[in-house]
Amino acid sequence: DQQVKQNSPSLSVQEGRISILNCDYTNSMFDYFLWYKKYPAEGPTFLISISSIKDKNEDGRFTVFLNKSAKHLSLHIVPSQPGDSAVYFCAAIRLVEQGAQKLVFGQGTRLTINP
Amino acid sequence: NAGVTQTPKFRILKIGQSMTLQCTQDMNHNYMYWYRQDPGMGLKLIYYSVGAGITDKGEVPNGYNVSRSTTEDFPLRLELAAPSQTSVYFCASTPSPHNYEQYFGPGTRLTVT
Repeated sequence: DQQVKQNSPSLSVQEGRISILNCDYTNSMFDYFLWYKKYPAEGPTFLISISSIKDKNEDGRFTVFLNKSAKHLSLHIVPSQPGDSAVYFCAAIRLVEQGAQKLVFGQGTRLTINP
Repeated sequence: NAGVTQTPKFRILKIGQSMTLQCTQDMNHNYMYWYRQDPGMGLKLIYYSVGAGITDKGEVPNGYNVSRSTTEDFPLRLELAAPSQTSVYFCASTPSPHNYEQYFGPGTRLTVT
């Protein structure tokens, strides 16, 4: 039961152009959505989040859009830079008892920025 | 401030052996989590803790045990290693329910043969 799906295993984008990474989810009870970035041999690092009651959140070059009716979110990176080459995970949070956060991750999309 | 540290970085186990994966954080975070990541897949939650002495199961707890005797440490125990437990294991922490950023350690790559 894959509740969070990233259907594109990889994406290749020219430096300076826009990168768009997509994510679909099935559970309408998620409270928050996040994007994490992961380099090889390192743990994931937090990039940007969005509440389930918002439809857009922007932080510098990164913008996340949430379409609740379609159960879809996307991450836009503009302009793309070589250092953005990494695996990007979409994740959804369900808050449970005592404030713990249960994160459900997508499979990841490997982004390659070409010079 | 080292953040979240994990030891060992790599380990090879034989089937049936036991081991403990160590996780320590120096940020005084109450909430800690263990995940596993299989090749080509996302991370899956194994166990979590909301504070010292309190732990609960995540999505894939079978074959694992945890304890939380201090705020800083959250070890993950494998009692009878099986090839299906070959994976990369990540520990994470967060300070409060209202902070949605989880801070991850660098991971432990475990192979069971």
